[in-house]
Amino acid sequence: DAGVIQSPRHEVTEMGQEVTLRCKPISGHNSLFWYRQTMMRGLELLIYFNNNVPIDDSGMPEDRFSAKMPNASFSTLKIQPSEPRDSAVYFCASSRGGPTEQYFGPGTRLTVT
Amino acid sequence: GENVEQHPSTLSVQEGDSAVIKCTYSDSASNYFPWYKQELGKGPQLIIDIRSNVGEKKDQRIAVTLNKTAKHFSLHITETQPEDSAVYFCAAILPSTGNQFYFGTGTSLTVIP
Repeated sequence: DAGVIQSPRHEVTEMGQEVTLRCKPISGHNSLFWYRQTMMRGLELLIYFNNNVPIDDSGMPEDRFSAKMPNASFSTLKIQPSEPRDSAVYFCASSRGGPTEQYFGPGTRLTVT
Repeated sequence: GENVEQHPSTLSVQEGDSAVIKCTYSDSASNYFPWYKQELGKGPQLIIDIRSNVGEKKDQRIAVTLNKTAKHFSLHITETQPEDSAVYFCAAILPSTGNQFYFGTGTSLTVIP
């Protein structure tokens, strides 16, 4: 299995631009999670999906952030417009559902200048 | 939700010594406690986990203990090696809030050769 796949691995953009991060979960997993990691705030859960349905988006910082999961094999996290304080590493993780291991992708390092 | 606290935030040990990282949680209904290792530039990876019906679990040099009464769990690494140097995160799952992980703030472990 290829594991969780994220793209791009690195993204540098200017303030005000739209950013789209992509995630392909492990086949057969029905839960998907988006996290943001910074030195100041550690690992923060932004949103998670069960069976492609958003369950809890209370961690999404503001309306500039949105996430979709159109099917079981693809999810996007969009930031529009981006701001310098959005600079962080964004991780996608997937699991089989229930209280069990989450498998993390390699992350996308986002830099907003 | 759940509140997970992790100590210490940094830990340095000599190669061959043991390292212990401790976490506490707030909700006695939490039932799954994974430990993740994150190396520089990579996503977190599960190293060991324990469920609430078990008091201790061991995997070679790594062990986890759970005290449900006191609501704390600990990671023990024996015979530490330089490659154990990384950031370690504990987490808990509270079933009433779905499958989301509540992560601790992380411990940066340095093993000095």
